[in-house]
Amino acid sequence: GAGVSQSPSNKVTEKGKDVELRCDPISGHTALYWYRQSLGQGLEFLIYFQGNSAPDKSGLPSDRFSAERTGGSVSTLTIQRTQQEDSAVYLCASSPLRGDEQFFGPGTRLTVL
Amino acid sequence: GNSVTQMEGPVTLSEEAFLTINCTYTATGYPSLFWYVQYPGEGLQLLLKATKADDKGSNKGFEATYRKETTSFHLEKGSVQVSDSAVYFCALSYGGSQGNLIFGKGTKLSVKP
Repeated sequence: GAGVSQSPSNKVTEKGKDVELRCDPISGHTALYWYRQSLGQGLEFLIYFQGNSAPDKSGLPSDRFSAERTGGSVSTLTIQRTQQEDSAVYLCASSPLRGDEQFFGPGTRLTVL
Repeated sequence: GNSVTQMEGPVTLSEEAFLTINCTYTATGYPSLFWYVQYPGEGLQLLLKATKADDKGSNKGFEATYRKETTSFHLEKGSVQVSDSAVYFCALSYGGSQGNLIFGKGTKLSVKP
């Protein structure tokens, strides 16, 4: 079956612009996660959605970062007023209700010039 | 807070050599422990997991044992192959699909023929 998909695969933007990154989780998976992978910081948790519950935003690095999940499926991560330190690979993962394995997408490589 | 520490890389081995990648964790309670692998040009994928003390996870010839007394989850393989060249991440989480993963920094393994 289809895995987690993310778009775009690459995004180059100028400092100060807003960007939107999209994640399509595996159908039927109730949990959805966003992570960031950068050279300096490794893999960092950003935000977690579980069903219709309020998301866990504890990993978001600043208020420029936000995410939503519509209809319990597709998620969009938005970064406003991008900074060079936002350059990283943004990974999305999903998992089923009764399972602990997270299935990762291929990521979106964001470069802020 | 909760954290994962794994040995710094890169690790370079000859084919058929024995592999150990050390991983220790700091956590309250009883997390689940994971090894994820990222092959060149591919997304993160679960290699193996253990959900309680003394459990041994195994897959593709790799093994790791959940040692609560030493808070460790070292990854081992008796005979590595060139195809094992990848970046390996140790991680922990709580509560099945109820929580995010906390990752170590990753260890890059290169296996030479």
